[in-house]
This record gives sequence, structure tokens and C-alpha cells, in this order.
Amino acid sequence: EDQVTQSPEALRLQEGESSSLNCSYTVSGLRGLFWYRQDPGKGPEFLFTLYSAGEEKEKERLKATLTKKESFLHITAPKPEDSATYLCAVQGVQGAQKLVFGQGTRLTINP
Amino acid sequence: DAGVIQSPRHEVTEMGQEVTLRCKPISGHDYLFWYRQTMMRGLELLIYFNNNVPIDDSGMPEDRFSAKMPNASFSTLKIQPSEPRDSAVYFCASKTGASRGYTFGSGTRLTVV
Repeated sequence: EDQVTQSPEALRLQEGESSSLNCSYTVSGLRGLFWYRQDPGKGPEFLFTLYSAGEEKEKERLKATLTKKESFLHITAPKPEDSATYLCAVQGVQGAQKLVFGQGTRLTINP
Repeated sequence: DAGVIQSPRHEVTEMGQEVTLRCKPISGHDYLFWYRQTMMRGLELLIYFNNNVPIDDSGMPEDRFSAKMPNASFSTLKIQPSEPRDSAVYFCASKTGASRGYTFGSGTRLTVV
């Protein structure tokens, strides 16, 4: 069974203080690893898809990286508007179109 | 592009009542997913459709839950009878076969009292 574990559960940073969120996964053949952002009262918003170990994707202050066992979401010089819950999900070969999500990391950026 | 549209946004109902949640996917998307989100269990896939046909309903918790997709632009998730443990946010999402990421709707917050 495909599984995703995210850490930490919650992270509080000062504006400009860089850090990383972790996503560990087990999957029977990875088709893709996904990062989503979710704001309170809204649905998850797609950020990145990574397909193979060594791949990296960037968007503004966010950079996602992938190894064979985990993914990191690096946030550089964050701003208060980056505060959200960040969700990681995997799509495995056996799951077809199914995404299995982690519990998320709740990120708070203080001004 | 209006995105994935869900209704209602909020639903409060009494235990034992029937509840129907609705979803309009993005035009041209041939996959539709129903997810449930709770604090304890996070986001869980309930069922998904491809070209209006249910493909995987292994996440549907029990016979009280049913989902239909009568055409490419509409899907329903029905709970009958509802129970307090069904309280959660229910999300609908859609995608094309070629794309990898889903587009989620804003969700329906269901409270069963």
C-alpha cells in the first residue's frame, strides 16, 4: 500500500527565515510525486509534479526536490503570504490515477 | 475557466437524513475524483470516474455512500442515512488523461448533528 508521511506537522518561521518541509514515501513504482498548497477554507492548489530521483522544480520562493525515498519543499526567504498547509501526494503504478496524500505541514510565516 | 464547481459550500443536516453533494468538473476533463478531508485521516480518495464510468470505489466507506456521474459535466455524492462521523469536507477534483495534477473544487463542509 502506498504511504506518505510529512514532517513536521507544523512549522512557524519568521519572515525571511528559510527552511525545508519533508515528505517521505513508500510506493510500488512511482509515477509522480505532487506538491499542493491549501489555504483555509479552500481546496488544494497544484504546485509541482516530480517524476524521477534528482529532479527539481522551482516556483518563486519554492523549490521541490526528489530522491528515491523522499521529497523536500525548500522555501527561501518566505513571506507571510506563503503561510498555508503544504500537502505531498504520490501516484503509484498500481494505483492508476489515484493520489495518496500525506497529512500535510501547516506553515506559518510571522511578519 | 470557472474551475471545478461544488455545491453547496456548507451543509448542516440531522443524523439519518439524506445528503447530496454536487460537482461540475472543468469542461474537457475526463477524470473526476471525490475526496474526503478530516483532521484525523487527512485527504482520502472515495471514488473516481473516467469518462463517466466508476473506476475505483474502494475508498467508499460503506453502503450508505453512493456516487453517480450521469454525464461529463455533473456528478453527485449521496449519503443515506447520514451519521455524525460523516462530518468532513468533501472535495471534488478533475483532470484530463494527459495532465498529472488534479484541479480541486472549493469543497463542501458537511456537518451531521
